[in-house]
Amino acid sequence: GAGVSQTPSNKVTEKGKYVELRCDPISGHTALYWYRQSLGQGPEFLIYFQGTGAADDSGLPNDRFFAVRPEGSVSTLKIQRTERGDSAVYLCASSLTGLGDTQYFGPGTRLTVL
Amino acid sequence: SQQGEEDPQALSIQEGENATMNCSYKTSINNLQWYRQNSGRGLVHLILIRSNEREKHSGRLRVTLDTSKKSSSLLITASRAADTASYFCATTQGAQKLVFGQGTRLTINP
Repeated sequence: GAGVSQTPSNKVTEKGKYVELRCDPISGHTALYWYRQSLGQGPEFLIYFQGTGAADDSGLPNDRFFAVRPEGSVSTLKIQRTERGDSAVYLCASSLTGLGDTQYFGPGTRLTVL
Repeated sequence: SQQGEEDPQALSIQEGENATMNCSYKTSINNLQWYRQNSGRGLVHLILIRSNEREKHSGRLRVTLDTSKKSSSLLITASRAADTASYFCATTQGAQKLVFGQGTRLTINP
């Protein structure tokens, strides 16, 4: 079956603009995660959904970042008033239950803020 | 903030040799996972070891876990050029999020 997919694969925007990043998890996976990876670093957790609800959003850096998963499947990460420091690869992952099982990652979206 | 520390940060070996990477972490964990990443994009899950396990094998991979030392190692035997990648360990604690180390960049020379 299909793995986790993310769109777009690359996004270039200007400082101050709004962007949306999309994640399609593996079908049937109830848990969905967003991570951010800066160059030369490991991924850092942003937010975790269990079904439609955000179970843990402790990793969101500030209120410019917001994520939704309205039907418990596809998720959108939204960044308002982008800053150059937001440039990174944004990774999405899903897992079957969210109870400590394996997380499967998508290919990521590389965001560049000019 | 990141919990894990991988050691070494970079490793270069000849094809056919074994590669060993180490990971240390700071707090108690539920499980520890190893991932591979090519070209800075998607992570591929390699192996998961639970806190009550000490060793696990998968093909050419061998993972050990020592919870008393808060450390894990990943051994890749008979390395191949295709093993060239960055390798990350990641832990889960009470919460479900993964906490990653900074990774080891492995280069296999033909």
